[in-house]
Amino acid sequence: DIQMTQSPSSLSASVRDRVIITCRASQNIGRSLHWYQQKPGKAPNLLIYAASTLQDGVPSRFSGSGSGTDFTLTISSLQPEDFATYYCQQGSSPPLTFGGGTKVEIK
Amino acid sequence: VQLVESGGGVVQPGRTLRLSCAASGFTFRSYGMHWVRQAPGKGLEWVALIWYDGSDTYYADSVKGRFTISRDNSKSTLYLQMNSLRVEDTAVYFCATAGTTGPYYLDYWGQGTLVAVSS
Repeated sequence: DIQMTQSPSSLSASVRDRVIITCRASQNIGRSLHWYQQKPGKAPNLLIYAASTLQDGVPSRFSGSGSGTDFTLTISSLQPEDFATYYCQQGSSPPLTFGGGTKVEIK
Repeated sequence: VQLVESGGGVVQPGRTLRLSCAASGFTFRSYGMHWVRQAPGKGLEWVALIWYDGSDTYYADSVKGRFTISRDNSKSTLYLQMNSLRVEDTAVYFCATAGTTGPYYLDYWGQGTLVAVSS
């Protein structure tokens, strides 16, 4: 199975900060990497699929990049509603696997 | 798009439970469907995938041989039959649609149903 490692596991940031979350796959997954945002008590929400394609309705301050084994999610200017937990997920082949999550907290 | 899970509850170890996910607002029979779970205070764990027509299924190693994903396209409903339940199966279970451009990501999600396995 493909293992997904996210870092950091948590971070503290201020509104308008630039935030970068990284995700590493244990083997080459091409661009089959997807990002989700989850707020407490809610279902996850798809942000980015295929490494860099923004899901409809997702603000342009979110962006994704990478290919192969190393990927990043960038929030260019953190907004109050962005405080949440973020997960990467590999979609190369089943079994699908998620990273451990990155909790973005208010500094 | 609306996905509404049901069937969760408290169950003893070794017993069975069947979850349902009622879908509306999209052409259910055209999309693969997933189950994903989240143990209390933990991260997301993918559980199972079924092809749009039910022709193929995939499972996480942790549930293979115990859980069965199925669907009834005439009722726009997804199911997860859970047998031989274990304490470690305790989680909120979400159903989700496969992506519009491929089956291996999750687009729309339900709000989840809680399964608690305890003696």
